[in-house]
Amino acid sequence: GENVEQHPSTLSVQEGDSAVIKCTYSDSASNYFPWYKQELGKGPQLIIDIRSNVGEKKDQRIAVTLNKTAKHFSLHITETQPEDSAVYFCAASPLTGGGNKLTFGTGTQLKVEL
Amino acid sequence: GAVVSQHPSRVICKSGTSVKIECRSLDFQATTMFWYRQFPKQSLMLMATSNEGSKATYEQGVEKDKFLINHASLTLSTLTVTSAHPEDSSFYICKVSSGGSDTQYFGPGTRLTVL
Repeated sequence: GENVEQHPSTLSVQEGDSAVIKCTYSDSASNYFPWYKQELGKGPQLIIDIRSNVGEKKDQRIAVTLNKTAKHFSLHITETQPEDSAVYFCAASPLTGGGNKLTFGTGTQLKVEL
Repeated sequence: GAVVSQHPSRVICKSGTSVKIECRSLDFQATTMFWYRQFPKQSLMLMATSNEGSKATYEQGVEKDKFLINHASLTLSTLTVTSAHPEDSSFYICKVSSGGSDTQYFGPGTRLTVL
């Protein structure tokens, strides 16, 4: 089955700096890669996703890159703000269609310091 | 606005009682719903996948007789934790998807504490 590794487990940055979280996956059939942000005591919230037919996607301060050859994808947050502090999870799914199971990474605790 | 709701948001119960958690898809018909469990500072562990009108598919190691899942309509799935014990205390989160999209949305979660 799919195995997703995520690094780092914790990340502290100064407000205004960039943050990068990296994930690798094992199943070459995976073609859908979402990123979720989870604040304390709340459910995860989808912040951005990418499909294997593109190498990069950007939404304001958030961007995701995908390297299918190397089987890794990354989340980039620029101009970080204190409200970006949360746990971020990457995930991978081998098949298209909403009914397919996602395999999650272990999470990254991001802390943006003033 | 919210796409998925869960009820209750938190529940405290005595050991041996059963607890039902509801998950509602508010914006679209959810052909598939997923139930996850998350322990403090850990990742999300998939418990089961439920499709409307059919039996849920449980992940290995998850007792189907203990965690009863009912997906009776395209907008509602319920998870019942039967004979709950303290080790069942966790954050339970549902996730919904429509059949035509990869996009999946999580509910806000339910914090279960079993005394």
